[in-house]
Parts: sequence; structure tokens; C-alpha cells
Amino acid sequence: DSGVTQTPKHLITATGQRVTLRCSPRSGDLSVYWYQQSLDQGLQFLIQYYNGEERAKGNILERFSAQQFPDLHSELNLSSLELGDSALYFCASSVGQYNEQFFGPGTRLTVL
Amino acid sequence: AQSVAQPEDQVNVAEGNPLTVKCTYSVSGNPYLFWYVQYPNRGLQFLLKYITGDNLVKGSYGFEAEFNKSQTSFHLKKPSALVSDSALYFCAVRSSGNTDKLIFGTGTRLQVFP
Repeated sequence: DSGVTQTPKHLITATGQRVTLRCSPRSGDLSVYWYQQSLDQGLQFLIQYYNGEERAKGNILERFSAQQFPDLHSELNLSSLELGDSALYFCASSVGQYNEQFFGPGTRLTVL
Repeated sequence: AQSVAQPEDQVNVAEGNPLTVKCTYSVSGNPYLFWYVQYPNRGLQFLLKYITGDNLVKGSYGFEAEFNKSQTSFHLKKPSALVSDSALYFCAVRSSGNTDKLIFGTGTRLQVFP
């Protein structure tokens, strides 16, 4: 158990809908990262937050957004969902810049 | 641009034999390298990292990795494979600049046969 929690574990929804994925980092970790894992794209970095502030953006679509709250948990919002958004979404956290990232169990999103 | 290559989609090894999973990288500046393992329907688990220091890094579950700067490689090794080591292994490099996002390789599936 990495100490990073993600909810829900599975999410099935329809095209055009909006969903919210939630992540709680390990106690004491200020950085939260979101990654997407799909068969065709592999593991792709989406976005990073550090202590409530956006630190970096990767291959994140404009339909996607995220935020980190004062208690350091983070949410990833996916809207106008398309079939191609079906993937595993991972959250990770770390204590500092050069430290390893610890990954949550992921949320499997299926868009029908 | 930083990148990581894992040239083998799958590695097969008999239980008890040594295993190697290959990784090469391309970075500007000093490389910060990581290995993760993913079991079916699970998240990624951290195995080991190289930041600086000794070229041979020891990690979890008996795994180690050898950093070779001249060959820009960071191969994962284990002296004696277990069936339970069968999983998907990812090499990653920390991005340079203000972000410490990880750039992952495509993954190598390790199959250990009894």
C-alpha cells in the first residue's frame, strides 16, 4: 500500500458526460501528479500540483482540468468525454523534487 | 527532449536464472532515473532510483540497477528470478526544469517460468 488513495476504482459513463476523479496524497506529500495510462499512448503525464499551485502541465486536453485543495487532496475533472478517454488514471505524490513518486491504485474510466 | 527507451516488449526467463530488463535514456543535464513495477490491476510500485553516487543501485525485492553514463543505460537486474516477479516493468526519467514529472518508457513485460 503506497499510502495514496484514489476514488472511485471504476467509473463507467457515456460520451459527452463529465466525471471527477479524486486523489488523496500520502501524509506530508505536497506534490500531486496525474498520469493517464492507455494501451496506445502508454503512461502520459497530465498535470502536477505543488502545495495548491499548478506546477506543470503535460499532455492534458482542454476538456480536462484539475485542482489541489488546501488539505492537499486533488481532483481531476474530465468533461465532454469521448471514447478515447477510456484509460487508467493514476495519481501520484511525492515529498520533494528529487524523491520518488508513490502511485495510487488508479481509477479505471470506461466511456461507452 | 528527455526520453526513455525500453527496447524489449517482453523478457522471458526461467525461475532461478538471472534477469535483465533494459533501459536507455536521453536527457539534458544529470539524469534522475527510476524503475517501477506494475502488477495486474494495480498501481505502479517504486523499485529503485538513481540520483547520484554509486552506479549500482539496490532496491526492493532483491532488484538492483546499473547506471552506465557512457552507454546512457539503466538496466534492471536480479540475480535469481522468481515466478512472482512476473509483471510489467517501467523505466522512467525525471524531467529537467521546474517540474519533476516522470517520463516513462513503454514498459517491458517480464515473464518468469517455473
